[in-house]
Amino acid sequence: KAGVTQTPRYLIKTRGQQVTLSCSPISGHRSVSWYQQTPGQGLQFLFEYFSETQRNKGNFPGRFSGRQFSNSRSEMNVSTLELGDSALYLCASSPRIQETQYFGPGTRLLVL
Amino acid sequence: DAKTTQPNSMESNEEEPVHLPCNHSTISGTDYIHWYRQLPSQGPEYVIHGLTSNVNNRMASLAIAEDRKSSTLILHRATLRDAAVYYCILRPYSGAGSYQLTFGKGTKLSVIP
Repeated sequence: KAGVTQTPRYLIKTRGQQVTLSCSPISGHRSVSWYQQTPGQGLQFLFEYFSETQRNKGNFPGRFSGRQFSNSRSEMNVSTLELGDSALYLCASSPRIQETQYFGPGTRLLVL
Repeated sequence: DAKTTQPNSMESNEEEPVHLPCNHSTISGTDYIHWYRQLPSQGPEYVIHGLTSNVNNRMASLAIAEDRKSSTLILHRATLRDAAVYYCILRPYSGAGSYQLTFGKGTKLSVIP
């Protein structure tokens, strides 16, 4: 079974721009979570989706948003990019909310 | 969220067993103990999880103390590919709500050839 895939793998943007990252979960998985990883803050939870509904959100500003489609694929969007948004963005999927999460390779975003 | 405490770093010789400790003195009765590891430039990888009994899988073993206030991840024969940051995470398993993973700083395992 193919793992979680994330696109693009690398991205360079400038301050003020917006970015959309994509995540395709493992086939049959309906829950998708997003995390941000930075050297200073480590891995932090962004939000979680199940059946196209956001179930929980971490402590991030409203510039960070996401959505899930009927095929369980998910996107996250960051508007008005700041230098501090440079990070590895990780997507994880699980069959249902309560089950083990499996991570993708991440999208590395650099904001200049 | 209940917290975990892990050593910042550990070293092991290749081909030898490795015991990675984790303290979680405030664990609740419904918290599962999960271990993930993250190799350089990759996303976290699920290793193993358990509730009360010791668990084994093809990657590792998980030994859980009788009072559940600590646990140990055991890699039976360390290889160079096991060099990674290992995270011990408590995850609730009851009722509705989110089951997000709360990562600490983990233990950086170095494997010496």
